[in-house]
Amino acid sequence: KAGVTQTPRYLIKTRGQQVTLSCSPISGHRSVSWYQQTPGQGLQFLFEYFSETQRNKGNFPGRFSGRQFSNSRSEMNVSTLELGDSALYLCASSRDSYYGYTFGSGTRLTVV
Amino acid sequence: AQSVTQPDIHITVSEGASLELRCNYSYGATPYLFWYVQSPGQGLQLLLKYFSGDTLVQGIKGFEAEFKRSQSSFNLRKPSVHWSDAAEYFCAVVPNAGGTSYGKLTFGQGTILTVHP
Repeated sequence: KAGVTQTPRYLIKTRGQQVTLSCSPISGHRSVSWYQQTPGQGLQFLFEYFSETQRNKGNFPGRFSGRQFSNSRSEMNVSTLELGDSALYLCASSRDSYYGYTFGSGTRLTVV
Repeated sequence: AQSVTQPDIHITVSEGASLELRCNYSYGATPYLFWYVQSPGQGLQLLLKYFSGDTLVQGIKGFEAEFKRSQSSFNLRKPSVHWSDAAEYFCAVVPNAGGTSYGKLTFGQGTILTVHP
């Protein structure tokens, strides 16, 4: 059974640019959540999608957005990148909370 | 506000010694509880989870955790640590409810485990 796949694994972008990260959940999982992990702030929740609808959102500026497609694949977009956006971005999929959340290996974004 | 506290930022143990990592949560009702492990530069791997029932849960890699409602704790234990257990461990909770809890794990700050030979 394939796990959660995140692409790309590494990205280097320049301040002011935008970036799109991709997440393919485990087959049959309709919930996809995104997290930002930094040494200073730890793991912070960005948003959650279920059946193409955003059900929950964390406290991040509007520069952070996401979407989910009919096949449950999800993308997150960060516009007007800032140095502080450098982080490991993790995606997790689930059938529902009861079953737990399976994480991908993450995308390491470096903003220079 | 819901919070998760892992009091120990860094723990060092000798290989073969026992291990206990602490986790306390603050929430009105019993949430769903999880322990994850993360190796450097990698994603999070689920070790075990608690939803209800038996308060002692078994996980992968020989780990177990005990839920204590009176102490709002969910401590992770392992009787004999192996060098390969060196990693960072995260306790996480999600409310046992819908609405603003959907997909939103709240994590502790993590505990880095170092294993000495």
